[in-house]
Amino acid sequence: QKEVEQDPGPLSVPEGAIVSLNCTYSNSAFQYFMWYRQYSRKGPELLMYTYSSGNKEDGRFTAQVDKSSKYISLFIRDSQPSDSATYLCAMTTQGGSEKLVFGKGMKLTVNP
Amino acid sequence: EAGVTQSPTHLIKTRGQQATLRCSPISGHTSVYWYQQALGLGLQFLLWYDEGEERNRGNFPPRFSGRQFPNYSSELNVNALELEDSALYLCASRTGTTGANVLTFGAGSRLTVL
Repeated sequence: QKEVEQDPGPLSVPEGAIVSLNCTYSNSAFQYFMWYRQYSRKGPELLMYTYSSGNKEDGRFTAQVDKSSKYISLFIRDSQPSDSATYLCAMTTQGGSEKLVFGKGMKLTVNP
Repeated sequence: EAGVTQSPTHLIKTRGQQATLRCSPISGHTSVYWYQQALGLGLQFLLWYDEGEERNRGNFPPRFSGRQFPNYSSELNVNALELEDSALYLCASRTGTTGANVLTFGAGSRLTVL
């Protein structure tokens, strides 16, 4: 079983739709959870960062972590064509110096 | 503030050759991470350098190696290139080694092995 599982999609939605992206993980030691966004021909950029369980909201984006289920989610409200990108979940253990473990990434296309 | 810069942007090599990729971290960042992003495999951790020392390496053969210079820039070397080494190689940096491991990535170097 891989440490982090993410459905690679692709996912295509109409503009304005609510998008839900998810990852599951197996390592209960993971404490820090991140979502990165990667546009074509670019490096990943940090979108959201959450420590331990709970929700975090930033504009149209909401990150949720459910450690009891080992499940994290990213919700995008009122999706825009500019949100079209690959979204990667990433996580690491407490201590901060360990490597990030990434999901494979979900390719999202928002159609105008 | 300049971000993480990588060079070259693209590199084409043939099997058996060696490739050298370079990375300059954000000013003030002392840790440099290298990841391989191959098609369908996601980001795979390669190497982590901090303060000039190799701190951790991923599950890659020894022909993947690197170093970090006194100015914290870093170099990744891949010897005896194989076709499956074709990938986007991403460098990332962070400040120090405490706190959450939030990485800032460069745009990557795309290596094609023919």
